[in-house]
Amino acid sequence: GAVVSQHPSRVICKSGTSVKIECRSLDFQATTMFWYRQFPKQSLMLMATSNEGSKATYEQGVEKDKFLINHASLTLSTLTVTSAHPEDSSFYICSVSANTGELFFGEGSRLTVL
Amino acid sequence: AQSVSQHNHHVILSEAASLELGCNYSYGGTVNLFWYVQYPGQHLQLLLKYFSGDPLVKGIKGFEAEFIKSKFSFNLRKPSVQWSDTAEYFCAVEGTGGFKTIFGAGTRLFVKA
Repeated sequence: GAVVSQHPSRVICKSGTSVKIECRSLDFQATTMFWYRQFPKQSLMLMATSNEGSKATYEQGVEKDKFLINHASLTLSTLTVTSAHPEDSSFYICSVSANTGELFFGEGSRLTVL
Repeated sequence: AQSVSQHNHHVILSEAASLELGCNYSYGGTVNLFWYVQYPGQHLQLLLKYFSGDPLVKGIKGFEAEFIKSKFSFNLRKPSVQWSDTAEYFCAVEGTGGFKTIFGAGTRLFVKA
């Protein structure tokens, strides 16, 4: 299966700053990656589908100007939380879809905005 | 709209007890069904999946799940749990044809040694 790595695993930033989270597919060429957000005691909510070489597809209610997604290569997608605020504090997870339909997940990135 | 409902948010069992976690979904078409597990400090990983064929599917570590189409259910079972099964379990549904995967809210299982 695919090995997916996220970095950083934890980040703390001040309100108003921007934070970039990387998602790497280490052994699988991923034309599509998915970004999720997980609130405490809640499910994974799909934020957007990252498409290599083209624009990401955002889910309803997700601000594309706030959550910038770039998928510049088959192994790397980045999520940038711009002008972060405390309400953006959350656990962000990326995944890669294998040809079998199974999803392979990164370890997640916990963002805390002070 | 597609949705997934997991009945139990927290389950506490003693070792050797039997486990059944409920999962119901709402979707009008053909679906692919998954159970994912997240052990403490680890990535989410696939436990088992159903695409077609035998509605009783077996996964890793002695888990199995049964797809009952008439009930829109895909319940997870294990006859005898172990302390190492302590984890969070997520049911997920993907509408066939390239639709996105939707997750249930998750069930936290704690197994007492």
